[in-house]
Amino acid sequence: GAGVSQSPRYKVAKRGQDVALRCDPISGHVSLFWYQQALGQGPEFLTYFQNEAQLDKSGLPSDRFFAERPEGSVSTLKIQRTQQEDSAVYLCASSIQRSETYEQYFGPGTRLTVT
Amino acid sequence: DAKTTQPPSMDCAEGRAANLPCNHSTISGNEYVYWYRQIHSQGPQYIIHGLKNNETNEMASLIITEDRKSSTLILPHATLRDTAVYYCIVRVGYGGSNYKLTFGKGTLLTVNP
Repeated sequence: GAGVSQSPRYKVAKRGQDVALRCDPISGHVSLFWYQQALGQGPEFLTYFQNEAQLDKSGLPSDRFFAERPEGSVSTLKIQRTQQEDSAVYLCASSIQRSETYEQYFGPGTRLTVT
Repeated sequence: DAKTTQPPSMDCAEGRAANLPCNHSTISGNEYVYWYRQIHSQGPQYIIHGLKNNETNEMASLIITEDRKSSTLILPHATLRDTAVYYCIVRVGYGGSNYKLTFGKGTLLTVNP
């Protein structure tokens, strides 16, 4: 079946622009996660949704970052007034449940470059 | 979550077994050991996880020491497509923020022809 998809795959933004990154999770997956991966580093947790409820946004680096999942399926990560330090790969993952026994399936990521 | 220590890089010959070590000396009794890998330009991919017993699936085997302070991921017959960064992650079993995966820098495994 279809995996997690993300769009766009690549995004170049000028400093100060707003961007929106989309994630389509696996159908029926309750949990959705966003991670940020800087060059040469492992992914870092940003935020977590269970259905449409955002249960944890502790990893969002600033109030310029905003995520939503209004109908409990597709999610959008929005970054306002982008800065160069926002350049990274943004990964979305979904899981059928939040339990430790359910693996997270990751999308290919969106590579954001802020110039 | 407990921290993990992995070597930054390893090499393996194609067709041979790849043994990737991970130290997690401060692991708690309810924490699982997970392994993910990330092939270049792709998202991480789940490989295997375990609590205290050794585990095997179609991708790999996971050997956890009796004191649970370290583990080894074994790819029995490495291929060129197994070249990737391998992450060892310790994850709380129940409650708290067990939904989070805390990645370190992982081990870059290079499989050579």
